[in-house]
Amino acid sequence: DIQMTQSPSSLSASVGDRVTITCRASQSVRNSLNWYQQKPGKAPKVLIYAASSLQSGVPSRFSGSGSGTDFTLTISSLQPEDFATYYCQQSNANPWTFGQGTKVEIK
Amino acid sequence: EVQVMESGGGLVQPGGSLRLSCAASGFTFSSNAMGWVRQAPGKGLEWVSSIFGSSGSTYYTDSVKGRFTISSDNSKNALYLQMNSLRAEDTAVYYCAKYGSIMAPHYLDYWGQGTLVTVSS
Repeated sequence: DIQMTQSPSSLSASVGDRVTITCRASQSVRNSLNWYQQKPGKAPKVLIYAASSLQSGVPSRFSGSGSGTDFTLTISSLQPEDFATYYCQQSNANPWTFGQGTKVEIK
Repeated sequence: EVQVMESGGGLVQPGGSLRLSCAASGFTFSSNAMGWVRQAPGKGLEWVSSIFGSSGSTYYTDSVKGRFTISSDNSKNALYLQMNSLRAEDTAVYYCAKYGSIMAPHYLDYWGQGTLVTVSS
């Protein structure tokens, strides 16, 4: 199975901060890398698919980059509604696997 | 408007069975792909199974192979997950989700609200 490792596992940030979350795959997943946001008690929501494509309706402050084994999710200016847990997920090979999550908290 | 909604969760004893259902609307169900993802209490996300509506191809994570069966009924726009020989470690919220594209790279673009399965004596 392909292992996905996110860093950091948690971070504290202020509104307006630029936030970067990284995700590393144990082997190449090409560009088959997605990012999801999950708020407590809610279903995950896709933000970025295919490494860098912004899902319709998602604010442009979210962006994704990378290919192969190293990927990044960037929030250019953190907003109050962005405090949540973020997961990367690879769909290059079965079984699909998720990172362990990065919890973004208010500083 | 695309909607997916799970039902069928509940409390079941170890070794028991349960069938989850997912009602879908707002898209062409028969030509899409669907998946199940679960989340144990306080834990991360785990992909469980997927099915491609056009081909009927199915896929499972190793820990549920031989115990869980994914299926769909295109006439009812419904997805199912038959879960047998349930174990305590299957306790989780189970989400039904629609594929954003049947062509790779795949992702899940619409998710249900989840249904809780608790395996306990």
